[in-house]
Parts: sequence; structure tokens; C-alpha cells
Amino acid sequence: DVKVTQSSRYLVKRTGEKVFLECVQDMDHENMFWYRQDPGLGLRLIYFSYDVKMKEKGDIPEGYSVSREKKERFSLILESASTNQTSMYLCASSRVAGSYNEQFFGPGTRLTVL
Amino acid sequence: AQSVTQPDIHITVSEGASLELRCNYSYGATPYLFWYVQSPGQGLQLLLKYFSGDTLVQGIKGFEAEFKRSQSSFNLRKPSVHWSDAAEYFCAVGAKGGSEKLVFGKGTKLTVNP
Repeated sequence: DVKVTQSSRYLVKRTGEKVFLECVQDMDHENMFWYRQDPGLGLRLIYFSYDVKMKEKGDIPEGYSVSREKKERFSLILESASTNQTSMYLCASSRVAGSYNEQFFGPGTRLTVL
Repeated sequence: AQSVTQPDIHITVSEGASLELRCNYSYGATPYLFWYVQSPGQGLQLLLKYFSGDTLVQGIKGFEAEFKRSQSSFNLRKPSVHWSDAAEYFCAVGAKGGSEKLVFGKGTKLTVNP
């Protein structure tokens, strides 16, 4: 069974802390994505990685950075967490060839910044 | 660029009633189309997808969707709703031969009354 896992289901951090959200996929997918989900706004793409060490900004990259040192792992970093980054964060992956862009999602991390 | 509209933010149906969730997309060529479902506090699960061929596609959990090019629509249907279908539903569009990314609608929340 294919799987995307996220390091935490729930996370509580304080304003100004550096926060790491980890995502791992076991499908040997080339593409990995980070989204944030807020009520009424749907899914918004933060960053996208199409290969190791390669990344592309999404629609809302401000306040975030990413790291992809290994193919299976994609990390989202909040350099200095703020209360407006309280949200549900979803990781997804897809393969390049023959996938028609179908994405597989992890269970999500609900982050609260106090 | 692609875009997706889900006109209904919230729909309430009675258990056993039929269901139709609307999705309209904007894209110049033949799109890849998806419906995902998200149960409370969970990640997104793929219900069904359309790439080409037969415009009526069957998915999991008894769902189906019909691609209508003339109306730029990909509506999701189920003949008889079960209480366990209560969730949020997202329509998404991908670009054939284009970016690896998907564009998601803002979602429709389904409530099922007993």
C-alpha cells in the first residue's frame, strides 16, 4: 500500500520558534508538495519539489522554506513561526511518468502557533 | 492557467437521498480531473479521476462523475448517500502536458442527516 507519512499529527509552537514539518513517501515519487488548508480557502500550494535539491515556489511561499536532500523526504520550515501560520499542513507526492498528475496525500499536521 | 470552481460551499442531504456535487473548471485543453474526499482531521483520499476516454467514470465508495466538455464540468454523483459520506469534497484539475501541479477548488462540505 502506497504511503505518505507526516512526522506529527498535531503540533503546538510558540511565536518566533523555528518549526520543521517532515514528510516521507515510500513510492519513489519524483514530485512532492506542501499545501496549507484553511477553512473557506481550500488547499493553497506553498512549495513544490520536482527532484532532489530542486524546488519551486507555490502560491503562498512567504514565511516558509523547504528542503529536499533525499528523494523520499520533503521538509517544510517555518523560520520564525507566527500566529497567522496556524493551519492544517498537507504533504503530497506524485510521480512524473504516466501519473497524469495524480497526487497522494499524507494525513496532515495541524499546527497551532501561540 | 487552470482554475476550479465548486459553487456549493455546504450541502445537506438526508441519508438515502441522491447527491450531486458541482465542479466547473477553466482550462484551454483537455484537462486531467480529480475528486478527492477529506474526512474530518484527515488527509485527502482520491475518489476518482478522468484522463481520457469514457466520460462517465466510476470511483470508490459508489461515487461516479461525468466529464462534460461543452459545460466545462465534472460533477460528482452518488445515487444513495450513507452517513459515512459526511466529509469535505475537493475537485482538482491538472494540465495535460503542462505543469505537474494540481489546482484545487475550495471544497464542498457535505452533511448527512439521519
